[in-house]
Amino acid sequence: EPEVTQTPSHQVTQMGQEVILRCVPISNHLYFYWYRQILGQKVEFLVSFYNNEISEKSEIFDDQFSVERPDGSNFTLKIRSTKLEDSAMYFCASSVSGSYNEQFFGPGTRLTVL
Amino acid sequence: AQKITQTQPGMFVQEKEAVTLDCTYDTSDQSYGLFWYKQPSSGEMIFLIYQGSYDEQNATEGRYSLNFQKARKSANLVISASQLGDSAMYFCAMREVPNTGNQFYFGTGTSLTVIP
Repeated sequence: EPEVTQTPSHQVTQMGQEVILRCVPISNHLYFYWYRQILGQKVEFLVSFYNNEISEKSEIFDDQFSVERPDGSNFTLKIRSTKLEDSAMYFCASSVSGSYNEQFFGPGTRLTVL
Repeated sequence: AQKITQTQPGMFVQEKEAVTLDCTYDTSDQSYGLFWYKQPSSGEMIFLIYQGSYDEQNATEGRYSLNFQKARKSANLVISASQLGDSAMYFCAMREVPNTGNQFYFGTGTSLTVIP
């Protein structure tokens, strides 16, 4: 069964460093998303991406964040200068269409900023 | 206002019993979708069940069913015959019309513990 994959599973970085979180969505999906979940809190939307551009972003997704689909399979989230409060689980998700299909989530990348 | 409200931070259920996890939602849209996800301690998000706002029948998926009461804006998850492996966090989520960017709004979750 096709699934969303994410690498790495855990990333530790120093405050101020850049990190890139990688995701491979399900191959026939057209919509891609990033969410984050601070430990013990709810899942929060960051950004949605369709047709090689951002379709929506939340207040969390400020200038420190960027997304890219560098090739036909990868979807990346970059944080330019990490802050302590960026420590969270980051989930990538994808969906077939923009209607009411479920979003398939990857296993997450746990980012720890020291 | 919160889009999704889950008022039960923690629930306990005896193995083999049924349990209902509450979810209420807030939207002014006529078209929307409601979803439940399970998050075990390992952290991944597992899709469980979906209910469309125009679906007349309650959704069912194996031991999961969704008690959809549109007028009350509630979408409670019912798990029948609970198993130990059902112990996890459960998140209710909503998706509004496509032109909002298709994001999901999640509730704060309910931690379910199944007691043997």
